[in-house]
Amino acid sequence: QVQLQESGPGLVKPSETLSLTCSVSGDSINNYYSTWIRQTPGKGLEWIGYFHSSGTNYNPSLKRRVTISLDRSQNVFSLKLRSVTAADTGVYYCAIHRSWASAFFENWGQGALVTVSS
Amino acid sequence: IVVTQSPATLSVSPGERATLSCTTSLSVTDKLAWYQQKPGQAPRLLIYDVSTRATGTPARFSGSGLATKFTLSISSLQSEDFAIYFCHQYNHWPLTFGGGTKVEIK
Repeated sequence: QVQLQESGPGLVKPSETLSLTCSVSGDSINNYYSTWIRQTPGKGLEWIGYFHSSGTNYNPSLKRRVTISLDRSQNVFSLKLRSVTAADTGVYYCAIHRSWASAFFENWGQGALVTVSS
Repeated sequence: IVVTQSPATLSVSPGERATLSCTTSLSVTDKLAWYQQKPGQAPRLLIYDVSTRATGTPARFSGSGLATKFTLSISSLQSEDFAIYFCHQYNHWPLTFGGGTKVEIK
């Protein structure tokens, strides 16, 4: 069974960059749409975007601040969210799905709480 | 696509039936999933494609609906079913989720 685990700083200062990594075990990330989802007090569950061999796809509401990338050699994928504010405080999940048309999530990481504060 | 869930909170006694609603602002055909979330945990997939139970989902959970109106039913609530439930449409990008229904003990 595929397992995912987020890692990264739990505290980020306003205007700086939030960086998280998702380690995947049990299968190659080449087979999946590698996705980030967050859960914030203000917006609830929000899809951030994915990286796939066919390309990337980001939520328009976050697109100008987000980059998702892969390191196939390490079987990990990463999230960078620039110019953060308090509204970006929340739990960030990595998740995967196999098919563009069946973009539901059976596999999630346990979540990483990120607080934006000075 | 805006996804709206109702009610926000549902108070149910153990053993009773619970019915949760999910409405989408445009048709999502049959591309709708339901998740269960407990405190401190990631969402867990229960149902996808409106009515297909995910691996490990008990038979007391059932999904129905089409286009813009969907329902998750829990036939006889067990203690482990008290949680928050989210619906999720994946017919349109960006993917969107409902605000959740909290099922609490009456």
